[in-house]
Amino acid sequence: DTAVSQTPKYLVTQMGNDKSIKCEQNLGHDTMYWYKQDSKKFLKIMFSYNNKELIINETVPNRFSPKSPDKAHLNLHINSLELGDSAVYFCASSQDWSGVTDTQYFGPGTRLTVL
Amino acid sequence: GQNIDQPTEMTATEGAIVQINCTYQTSGFNGLFWYQQHAGEAPTFLSYNVLDGLEEKGRFSSFLSRSKGYSYLLLKELQMKDSASYLCAPMDSNYQLIWGAGTKLIIKP
Repeated sequence: DTAVSQTPKYLVTQMGNDKSIKCEQNLGHDTMYWYKQDSKKFLKIMFSYNNKELIINETVPNRFSPKSPDKAHLNLHINSLELGDSAVYFCASSQDWSGVTDTQYFGPGTRLTVL
Repeated sequence: GQNIDQPTEMTATEGAIVQINCTYQTSGFNGLFWYQQHAGEAPTFLSYNVLDGLEEKGRFSSFLSRSKGYSYLLLKELQMKDSASYLCAPMDSNYQLIWGAGTKLIIKP
């Protein structure tokens, strides 16, 4: 059973397009995250939702909009894609966000390439 | 500001021991995680330390000194499959993980 799943795994698109990445977790966790990992391998938090409510919203262009229809899903929609958006996007989940021992479990990642 | 410092790359021999160091500066502290990331894959959890000292888990051990802002990951009896990046991630006062770029560990036969 896949704990945290993301679709698609690879996404190649043209500049200016709008695209979405979906994430689902079947762990019963309350908290979900979106990370961006660039070519230098830094993992940067973008958003975090706890029970469908936004709790972390880092300095991310407003072209990026997360949507959490329920606590098992956190989708990421990106408008007007730019070359600099090319990266690997990881979804993750944890049991809670205020618990200090909450290990984050990562999805397989979505490699986005903007041409 | 918040900062993580790890060596960019290390090389070790199969069967040997390697220690990957991490120094950090964060706004508050709620423990430190180590994750392993194989090339092209997702990070996976290895260890968590919140108190000073050594936590041992099989071939992997993790050490923390809060006063020094220092942690290390110790890998024993290295295997080829241990070739990966190792990410040090302290948790700040907002329970947010602060990620370094990781240390790429290369294991040679």
